[in-house]
Amino acid sequence: GAGVSQSPSNKVTEKGKDVELRCDPISGHTALYWYRQRLGQGLEFLIYFQGNSAPDKSGLPSDRFSAERTGESVSTLTIQRTQQEDSAVYLCASSPRPDNTEAFFGQGTRLTVV
Amino acid sequence: GESVGLHLPTLSVQEGDNSIINCAYSNSASDYFIWYKQESGKGPQFIIDIRSNMDKRQGQRVTVLLNKTVKHLSLQIAATQPGDSAVYFCAENNRGTSYGKLTFGQGTILTVHP
Repeated sequence: GAGVSQSPSNKVTEKGKDVELRCDPISGHTALYWYRQRLGQGLEFLIYFQGNSAPDKSGLPSDRFSAERTGESVSTLTIQRTQQEDSAVYLCASSPRPDNTEAFFGQGTRLTVV
Repeated sequence: GESVGLHLPTLSVQEGDNSIINCAYSNSASDYFIWYKQESGKGPQFIIDIRSNMDKRQGQRVTVLLNKTVKHLSLQIAATQPGDSAVYFCAENNRGTSYGKLTFGQGTILTVHP
């Protein structure tokens, strides 16, 4: 398919465990974004990658959160020592331009911390 | 910050009516705005955008109006259809500080009755 792909689609983990979420952007898209969406709320910005520039990490809520992207391909979001408040849908989007235009979202990973 | 939780604003309309969804944004420095539609279990889908040098932009069946004086954005949907039922989010961006960081509103639930 040609869309943004995220895996896994659902993840249940025990409090204190680490999780890794994956995003495969649309081929050729230079910009990649991670957002978090808690139940019934809007999206919260986490991190933004654009080409080889330093990522904008200003939205990461704590040092338990980190993300990497290799070139203009796959990105992984890692949450260490998960807490119950980390439960949310984590959404990834990619864009062919750095300015959010034509940003396409994946379907998200629903993370539940028990 | 926003903390509406599950009590999102709602709008119920009859099929064929016009719908108007409103959004108050927070940052007077924001210069780019987007409306997204999110159906249950899916990622947000781009609808229409507008830059701050415009006050109106039209798409197919949708119109976005921007009033920078009162920091207000609206989305008008003409001849609303049952397939338009979803949660609608506005998002703002200050391109002067970060292209990647969209700040989302709390969302409005639109229900279209046949």
